[in-house]
Amino acid sequence: DAGITQSPRHKVTETGTPVTLRCHQTENHRYMYWYRQDPGHGLRLIHYSYGVKDTDKGEVSDGYSVSRSKTEDFLLTLESATSSQTSVYFCAISAWADTNYGYTFGSGTRLTVV
Amino acid sequence: AQSVAQPEDQVNVAEGNPLTVKCTYSVSGNPYLFWYVQYPNRGLQFLLKYITGDNLVKGSYGFEAEFNKSQTSFHLKKPSALVSDSALYFCAVRAGYNNNDMRFGAGTRLTVKP
Repeated sequence: DAGITQSPRHKVTETGTPVTLRCHQTENHRYMYWYRQDPGHGLRLIHYSYGVKDTDKGEVSDGYSVSRSKTEDFLLTLESATSSQTSVYFCAISAWADTNYGYTFGSGTRLTVV
Repeated sequence: AQSVAQPEDQVNVAEGNPLTVKCTYSVSGNPYLFWYVQYPNRGLQFLLKYITGDNLVKGSYGFEAEFNKSQTSFHLKKPSALVSDSALYFCAVRAGYNNNDMRFGAGTRLTVKP
């Protein structure tokens, strides 16, 4: 999706290891979000950012931390990965809280914790 | 907290027939309602939103949605389905302006058969 890139696209990691997912945007948007997608649950908000170094927790933040040191990058870290964190992770961006165009989503990162 | 229900996991329609994908919501205050579509191995794409005004909202690709406050529903509709409409559809709700906690439904898989 134009203007937003997630890396890596796929990752397999072992239980107990730290993992960092990256979201990079070229739109200079203020707001950035991390969601996880699981069957039967839709998308659930993990953390979001409303500016550089300004972040807040979402619905399912336990076990995750985030950082935003630059406008364009929003990092999601699993400090010690567990099998319950196997999921597809999506980053989203928006220019402001109320946008006429909804959020723009990245293509996702498929994470498997074995 | 706000929530969304999509009562149907799967909707099947024949090409050329009208389609409806159902969504009901629960929120304190005025709802901001959205529909997104997800194609395989892609992020979500914004279709349309309701904030205020006319209860019938028109969006991308010929889709529209009807807001019904008394029934707390926001059903997605299209007069004539295309095979290319086959995808996963998500309804989402946010509790008003400047609220960053957007809640998604579990999704409805639409299959349009030729």
